[in-house]
Amino acid sequence: DAGITQSPRHKVTETGTPVTLRCHQTENHRYMYWYRQDPGHGLRLIHYSYGVKDTDKGEVSDGYSVSRSKTEDFLLTLESATSSQTSVYFCAISDGSGRQYFGPGTRLTVL
Amino acid sequence: QKEVEQDPGPLSVPEGAIVSLNCTYSNSAFQYFMWYRQYSRKGPELLMYTYSSGNKEDGRFTAQVDKSSKYISLFIRDSQPSDSATYLCAMEYTGANSKLTFGKGITLSVRP
Repeated sequence: DAGITQSPRHKVTETGTPVTLRCHQTENHRYMYWYRQDPGHGLRLIHYSYGVKDTDKGEVSDGYSVSRSKTEDFLLTLESATSSQTSVYFCAISDGSGRQYFGPGTRLTVL
Repeated sequence: QKEVEQDPGPLSVPEGAIVSLNCTYSNSAFQYFMWYRQYSRKGPELLMYTYSSGNKEDGRFTAQVDKSSKYISLFIRDSQPSDSATYLCAMEYTGANSKLTFGKGITLSVRP
């Protein structure tokens, strides 16, 4: 998985609780992305980062925030989880060539 | 109209068949085209990467881009049960850090 790890790999939480997902890379790539994947919708971009402390919104950013204080780590936070945020979350990295490499995913269930 | 359209399938073929997977797109600004393969409960992996029109071959896989028709294809020759996966097309404008636009993916099953 191109030196990308995601943690946790599985999580079950309750509505209204905060949740933080972590993406860690060992490739020293500048660009990092968070996607969610849902049946019928495919992969949708939540947020992305083009450098330390530089982030921007994707197409489905409502209810999510991100932070990147180090090149290797990109955190996705659900401030108050809702059932609609039940999904599989993927982190991806890129060296700026346009090619993106994905992590193994985090399966999140919000009850 | 969605920017990228991909037949949702699913698609089932016998082992050894030639498989053709296709995507159409509406935005002529796309210049970089990718195919990802995703096995069940795994992350997508980059399979093919092409720039502009033309063909690119890698083993049993051929990626074809026809920018005039806004149409891309992935051909799999001598398909194997191990090719059973979901295939997603993706496109990008600049070859740098712009965002990828994905098709929704098609699930392929290769029957032994």
